[in-house]
Amino acid sequence: EIVLTQSPATLSLSPGERATLSCRASQSVSNYLAWYQQKPGQAPRLLIYDASSRATGVPARFSGSGSGTDFTLTISSLEPEDFAVYYCQQRNKWPPLTFGGGTKVEIK
Amino acid sequence: EVQLLESGGGLVQPGGSLRLSCRASGFTFSSYAMAWVRQSPGKGLEWVSALSPPGGNTYYADSVKGRFTISRDNSKSTLLLQVNSLRAEDTAVYYCAKGAGYGPGGYFDYWGQGTLVTVSS
Repeated sequence: EIVLTQSPATLSLSPGERATLSCRASQSVSNYLAWYQQKPGQAPRLLIYDASSRATGVPARFSGSGSGTDFTLTISSLEPEDFAVYYCQQRNKWPPLTFGGGTKVEIK
Repeated sequence: EVQLLESGGGLVQPGGSLRLSCRASGFTFSSYAMAWVRQSPGKGLEWVSALSPPGGNTYYADSVKGRFTISRDNSKSTLLLQVNSLRAEDTAVYYCAKGAGYGPGGYFDYWGQGTLVTVSS
């Protein structure tokens, strides 16, 4: 099973700041990695797939990069609605599909 | 507009059973892989099971294999999850999720709002 480790667990930032979230895989997942956003009481929302492709309707301030074992989700300038929990997910080797433990982006 | 509406959750005693349903609309249901993903209270996401289109192949997490059964009724655009021999650690919100076009082992581009399963005596 591929383990995804996200860091930091919590990121405290102010609106307008840049957010950089990390996801590290226990073995290579090539570029088969997605990022999701989840707000309290809501279902997850797909943001990024195949490491760097934005899903439909996702603002350009969200970008993904990386390949192999190290991946990054960057939010270039935080908007109030971006404060949420973010999860990564791999599809390179399955079952099982696996998710990271999440990074909470909170208002400083 | 794609919509996924889950139902069937509730409070059940350890060892009990439930049948979760997910009614889909807004897309050609039979053409897409579908999955169940769960989230224990205050915890992260855990993939549970997936089903290929139109319904031939099933896949399960080790934690539920032999206890849960995924199926689909394409005529009713409905995804099902029969959950048996429930344990306290199965307590979670169960989300129905639509595959994003990569088959059963892919990403999920639409999610339902979830149905809560609570296993407690």
